[in-house]
Amino acid sequence: GAVVSQHPSWVICKSGTSVKIECRSLDFQATTMFWYRQFPKQSLMLMATSNEGSKATYEQGVEKDKFLINHASLTLSTLTVTSAHPEDSSFYICSAPRWVAGGTGELFFGEGSRLTVL
Amino acid sequence: LAKITQPISMDSYEGQEVNITCSHNNIATNDYITWYQQFPSQGPRFIIQGYKTKVTNEVASLFIPADRKSSTLSLPRVSLSDTAVYYCLVGDMNTGFQKLVFGTGTRLLVSP
Repeated sequence: GAVVSQHPSWVICKSGTSVKIECRSLDFQATTMFWYRQFPKQSLMLMATSNEGSKATYEQGVEKDKFLINHASLTLSTLTVTSAHPEDSSFYICSAPRWVAGGTGELFFGEGSRLTVL
Repeated sequence: LAKITQPISMDSYEGQEVNITCSHNNIATNDYITWYQQFPSQGPRFIIQGYKTKVTNEVASLFIPADRKSSTLSLPRVSLSDTAVYYCLVGDMNTGFQKLVFGTGTRLLVSP
C-alpha cells in the first residue's frame, strides 16, 4: 500500500538553530502534501498545504517565515523550522492524499517527527 | 469549520466490543467520514471510511445514520494492542483535503 515517510523521527536542537523535516511519498506522486502540528494530548492542527511547483498555503496564525515549506518534487516536501525556540517543540506530521481509479481519495500520514528545542 | 466532537476517553477489557461515537452536526453533502488510529509518537493510521449506512472491513465497522450527523466506529473483540487514540475525520475526500476537520480524539484504554 501507499506509504508516506518522514525523516527524522526525532530531533533535538539548540534554540536559534534551524531544523529541516522531510516528507516523502514512497510509491505514489503527491502534488499536494499537508503539514500538521500536534501538541500533547491534542488533536492534529493543519499548519499548511504544500503545493508542488508553487507556494505553500498557510493556515491562519501560522508564520510562513518561521515554518518554511518547499515542495521540491512530486514525492518530497520539506518543512524547515527557522530560528527554533522552545515553544516550537512539538510533534510534526505530514500527510499526502492519493486517489484510486473510480474511488475516493485517501489521506496517508507520515510517522511524525518529534522536535525538541533546548 | 464545524467542530467534530468525540468522547475524551473510553475504557474496555480484552475481548469486548467497543463503540466510539463522533458528532458532526454540520457535515456537508460531499463529506466523507474517516477514522484513524494513533499510537504515541506515531502518525495516524487509516482504519475505515464511509459515506452512509454501514461499512465493514477486516478490523472495524462504521455505522452512519441516515441524517449523517453522527457516526460510530465499532471495534469487535478489542485486544491490548488496540489501546490508542482514535480520531474521526470529516471532509471531502476528493477535492477538499485541506478542509478536513479532525475530531477531538478518543483515548481508548484496553485492560486485561
